[in-house]
Amino acid sequence: GAGVSQSPSNKVTEKGKDVELRCDPISGHTALYWYRQRLGQGLEFLIYFQGNSAPDKSGLPSDRFSAERTGESVSTLTIQRTQQEDSAVYLCASSQQAGTDTQYFGPGTRLTVL
Amino acid sequence: AQSVTQLGSHVSVSEGALVLLRCNYSSSVPPYLFWYVQYPNQGLQLLLKYTSAATLVKGINGFEAEFKKSETSFHLTKPSAHMSDAAEYFCAVSDRRSNYQLIWGAGTKLIIKP
Repeated sequence: GAGVSQSPSNKVTEKGKDVELRCDPISGHTALYWYRQRLGQGLEFLIYFQGNSAPDKSGLPSDRFSAERTGESVSTLTIQRTQQEDSAVYLCASSQQAGTDTQYFGPGTRLTVL
Repeated sequence: AQSVTQLGSHVSVSEGALVLLRCNYSSSVPPYLFWYVQYPNQGLQLLLKYTSAATLVKGINGFEAEFKKSETSFHLTKPSAHMSDAAEYFCAVSDRRSNYQLIWGAGTKLIIKP
């Protein structure tokens, strides 16, 4: 596609439920990033994929968070047993390569945990 | 570890006035520096980036930023504000020690007064 797409755009869930967020990066981009943006705050790095290398999971806040990526295409971020503090906008970005290449962002998924 | 400080969560300027958004960073190795903009109800997009070439970087929409190593700053400026510049602006830093992960400031909301 022309840009990074994310789905759903909004997700409301109940505390304790699992949610799955999807990201479709720009075709040909080898690097893919997930960020979390809480209300009024900057972006918080979660996880990063680069080609076939092992992902950098150093930003995942707890073991309830996990992500997968199939080759150099779609990625899914899964949050298990959601908590109210998980409420945020989850942003995905992709770039041609890691490093100084520009990251292109999707519109985000707004997650609300009741 | 790197960090980014954006002075002022909100900055208000009159239309036609100078825009100055401040960003200070900390990094123990040469940094790469970025400004991203988030217009209302839109995704993040790159305004400009510094990657060790010219210290004065020009970006889209008339914005520019100057890398000042001695001051560890990368302030964003625009000579004359337009109403359409109203948005949230984020400064970010990366370097090779962090595998080029972007570390983000908390953002500055720019308000343009008519």
